[in-house]
Amino acid sequence: AQSVTQLGSHVSVSEGALVLLRCNYSSSVPPYLFWYVQYPNQGLQLLLKYTSAATLVKGINGFEAEFKKSETSFHLTKPSAHMSDAAEYFCAVSDQRQAGTALIFGKGTTLSVSS
Amino acid sequence: DTEVTQTPKHLVMGMTNKKSLKCEQHMGHRAMYWYKQKAKKPPELMFVYSYEKLSINESVPSRFSPECPNSSLLNLHLHALQPEDSALYLCASSQKPASSYEQYFGPGTRLTVT
Repeated sequence: AQSVTQLGSHVSVSEGALVLLRCNYSSSVPPYLFWYVQYPNQGLQLLLKYTSAATLVKGINGFEAEFKKSETSFHLTKPSAHMSDAAEYFCAVSDQRQAGTALIFGKGTTLSVSS
Repeated sequence: DTEVTQTPKHLVMGMTNKKSLKCEQHMGHRAMYWYKQKAKKPPELMFVYSYEKLSINESVPSRFSPECPNSSLLNLHLHALQPEDSALYLCASSQKPASSYEQYFGPGTRLTVT
């Protein structure tokens, strides 16, 4: 079964600092990986996805992630944090089953940004 | 346009009530999903519809009954719920029911069972 592990349930940064949110995956086949963001009392918004086309994936709002097969990682980064980046971030892997597809989420990382 | 809409936004119901959640997308997507999200937890898959047919049921109690009347609409019928069913219910859709296609989520329905 496929799974993802997010290291660090809470990350705090200062405004303008680098954001690094960690995600490691476990998969017996080449994975399809996603990062989503969830603001309070809202649904999930797709930040970016990895589908094997390129190892460095650029997403919305200045975020990017690098797929490293040797480290089974897909960490999310942003060079300069903004106050509006404070939210819950979920890494997810797509689990293809015989009858359909399921997204398997990590436990999430809460990003706090201080001024 | 990548919008998935959900109604109602909030719902309070008693344990003997019958209510329904509605989800709609007009992106031509052929896979639709229901997830349940408890506070401070990740979403958990409940049901998947592929080409309007129920393809995955994650052993969800029968008090939750999904329905897909057409390719744009997904309902979740609720009956005799328990207080522990209080959660955010998220609907999502994807272009096709395959791993490479990203899922787009609606804003959710916040359900409280009293």
